Amino acid sequence: AQRVTQPEKLLSVFKGAPVELKCNYSYSGSPELFWYVQYSRQRLQLLLRHISRESIKGFTADLNKGETSFHLKKPFAQEEDSAMYYCALHYNQGGKLIFGQGTELSVKP
Amino acid sequence: DTGVSQDPRHKITKRGQNVTFRCDPISEHNRLYWYRQTLGQGPEFLTYFQNEAQLEKSRLLSDRFSAERPKGSFSTLEIQRTEQGDSAMYLCASSSRRTGRRADTQYFGPGTRLTVL
Repeated sequence: AQRVTQPEKLLSVFKGAPVELKCNYSYSGSPELFWYVQYSRQRLQLLLRHISRESIKGFTADLNKGETSFHLKKPFAQEEDSAMYYCALHYNQGGKLIFGQGTELSVKP
Repeated sequence: DTGVSQDPRHKITKRGQNVTFRCDPISEHNRLYWYRQTLGQGPEFLTYFQNEAQLEKSRLLSDRFSAERPKGSFSTLEIQRTEQGDSAMYLCASSSRRTGRRADTQYFGPGTRLTVL
């Protein structure tokens, strides 16, 4: 079955520290993965997708098919990075996204 | 604002009542999705449309739920005989289906928060 797992509900770091938000997936096909972010009182928005291989707001994520992971990383966290982060898998048969439970990132001053 | 809009933003209803939500996608987006999100969980897929055709429905969508997209533009989600378990945030997203195998980016609305008393 297709599944996305984010093992950490809450991740708390200090400003300037490195951040890694974990995401593991289960999918038999060729996966397309996304990270969405939701800042306080704002709508869910796309942060990055593995296909584009770009860095957004200093975040990067590499798809590791061997480990079935798509961890989100940033070398130096900023207070404005505090938000809910959701990893999502695009299910090729149809257009739906399968989301993980989300990780709340709290960056302390 | 040309983003996805949803109406109402909040709805409080009594158990057993019917409710209807509306979603207006980004114009010219031919795909429209409905998701439900409960506290502490990620969004869960409910159904999606390509133009006016409803192409997939989740098992989460019981017979009390119905969705329409009559002219391939806005969509409505109706819940009949609401139950307390229906209390959730209902999210709408839209995308522009492109040819090829790459997934299209889904743009989300602000959601409708439903509370069933």
